[in-house]
Amino acid sequence: AQSVTQLGSHVSVSEGALVLLRCNYSSSVPPYLFWYVQYPNQGLQLLLKYTTGATLVKGINGFEAEFKKSETSFHLTKPSAHMSDAAEYFCAVSDQGGGGNKLTFGTGTQLKVEL
Amino acid sequence: GAGVSQSPRYKVAKRGQDVALRCDPISGHVSLFWYQQALGQGPEFLTYFQNEAQLDKSGLPSDRFFAERPEGSVSTLKIQRTQQEDSAVYLCASSSPRNTEAFFGQGTRLTVV
Repeated sequence: AQSVTQLGSHVSVSEGALVLLRCNYSSSVPPYLFWYVQYPNQGLQLLLKYTTGATLVKGINGFEAEFKKSETSFHLTKPSAHMSDAAEYFCAVSDQGGGGNKLTFGTGTQLKVEL
Repeated sequence: GAGVSQSPRYKVAKRGQDVALRCDPISGHVSLFWYQQALGQGPEFLTYFQNEAQLDKSGLPSDRFFAERPEGSVSTLKIQRTQQEDSAVYLCASSSPRNTEAFFGQGTRLTVV
């Protein structure tokens, strides 16, 4: 069974400050890892994903995440927050096998960006 | 179409009423998923189709929930005798065999009163 833990249901940063959203996962097989963003009344948009290869992955809107197997973590970062980054962020894991990449999500982190 | 389309966007149902939620995936995507997102929670897997075959329905919470995809494209999630605990956003996603990314629709917000 797979699971995802997102530490901090709410994170608040100042505009221009570093964004760090934490994600730890549990998986019995090498995982695929994802970060999604959700704006109010919208579906989920993929920010970035890790499948194989380079452990530091870059995504859209200046976000990046690093897969650390030893720490079972996949934290999301952005060097400088922008007001438009305010949204809910979900970390997700899927296994590499069958099941069409069924996703297991964390409970989400609401990011607030203040002036 | 350009993306995953879901209808209706909003649905209010009286307790005990049956509802049907529609998902139109991206053309050519063989995999289709339904997720349920309760207020303040992350999405939770309901069921998965590969073409018209329902390969995994382990997440359906009760036998009141039924999903179908008869021609391998459009899918319908049906909820019979709706209860208040069924109130949630229902998200549909599709993906192609060569892509690990799932594309999500905007969801249907179901409110049972």
